[in-house]
Amino acid sequence: EVELLESGGGLVQPGGSLRLSCAASGFTLTNSAMNWVRQAPGKGLEWLSSINGGGFRIYYAASVQGRFTISKDSSRNTLYLEMNSLSVEDTAVYYCTRDRVHAGEFDYWGPGTRVTVSS
Amino acid sequence: DIQMTQSPSALSTSVGDRVTITCRASQSISDWLAWYQQKPGKAPKLLIYKASRLESGVPSRFSGSGSGTEFTLTINSLQPDDFATYYCQQYNTYPYTFGQGTKLEI
Repeated sequence: EVELLESGGGLVQPGGSLRLSCAASGFTLTNSAMNWVRQAPGKGLEWLSSINGGGFRIYYAASVQGRFTISKDSSRNTLYLEMNSLSVEDTAVYYCTRDRVHAGEFDYWGPGTRVTVSS
Repeated sequence: DIQMTQSPSALSTSVGDRVTITCRASQSISDWLAWYQQKPGKAPKLLIYKASRLESGVPSRFSGSGSGTEFTLTINSLQPDDFATYYCQQYNTYPYTFGQGTKLEI
């Protein structure tokens, strides 16, 4: 059974950093593209970043380009999102998602991890 | 970036109603469109992919149609479990983009 579980969220001060993790089970990260999506309180969904199965094709939303870094550890079957220079606008629930193999729709989502940026 | 515009943003409905939600893309995305359902405090769930393909396990009262720039999600005979927020998403081109959501209210 495919499962995704995010961790690493919490309270951080403006300008601070945080690393989110997404532990995957039931499939291998090297065979799937993965994504990070966030949702600010009371707002809609925002795609942030994607990484392909091989890890060599990476994309970012303009809102996080240069501040966030997506990566993965195949040995741990875990996806990461390194977030730097955080601002209050980054406060959100962060979800990791899986692309269906050889497609692009997000067929599995984790339950999300909450990030709060506040002084 | 491709802008996705959903309408309406909210809809007051009743059990048994037939509901149609529209999603318009600012440029052609072929049929690279997905629909998701989200309930409060939960992660979104994939309902429809490739504009019209029903995800496994999703009730057949849900259907999708369209291609190019105009898409619709239809829910026939609305059930109590269907009251949620629905999002469209294009995955034709990066950056992937979502519509702003449509909240179905009783």
